[in-house]
Amino acid sequence: DQQVKQNSPSLSVQEGRISILNCDYTNSMFDYFLWYKKYPAEGPTFLISISSIKDKNEDGRFTVFLNKSAKHLSLHIVPSQPGDSAVYFCAASLRETSGSRLTFGEGTQLTVNP
Amino acid sequence: NAGVTQTPKFQVLKTGQSMTLQCAQDMNHEYMSWYRQDPGMGLRLIHYSVGAGITDQGEVPNGYNVSRSTTEDFPLRLLSAAPSQTSVYFCASSWVQPPYEQYFGPGTRLTVT
Repeated sequence: DQQVKQNSPSLSVQEGRISILNCDYTNSMFDYFLWYKKYPAEGPTFLISISSIKDKNEDGRFTVFLNKSAKHLSLHIVPSQPGDSAVYFCAASLRETSGSRLTFGEGTQLTVNP
Repeated sequence: NAGVTQTPKFQVLKTGQSMTLQCAQDMNHEYMSWYRQDPGMGLRLIHYSVGAGITDQGEVPNGYNVSRSTTEDFPLRLLSAAPSQTSVYFCASSWVQPPYEQYFGPGTRLTVT
């Protein structure tokens, strides 16, 4: 079963506006959530993470929100820039297994138009 | 400091051939893993290792073998390649403590004909 889901395969926004990428999960035992960014022909790079005991984490233009009751997290990018155009993956770590084992969502292609 | 390196970048195999994808990291990370990325399916874990001499299966281990004889290296072996193994393969490494940030290599694009 797909424990981490990103239901939007793509998102298009205007430069300067907010981008909101969403992610849902089913396993309440996940203890950390991470967002990765991937450009074509490159490996994913870590963007931001959040512990399951927090509901918000901010790093510059990037903010991740966690709603545990809804099993939902979102990544906000403000303001969006053309260089943010990439595939974004959310991932979750399961407390019971080796701490580093991550389960990834399918990814969302973000396009920021100038 | 090279981070995570993978070789080769591209490979074409015929059905039934075998090969090894190489992965090395120079960050002294305990954890290393192999993923495959297929369109619309995200990154799926093939095998992982929490230290030298210790390996375990991920979500999609069939058709792949791994070993971890050193902290630095984690090769992935395809024993008898099949067209279903056509994919992009990523190796990653990290510490085993939170927040579990994994560092990825640049990937190997494999085509099996």
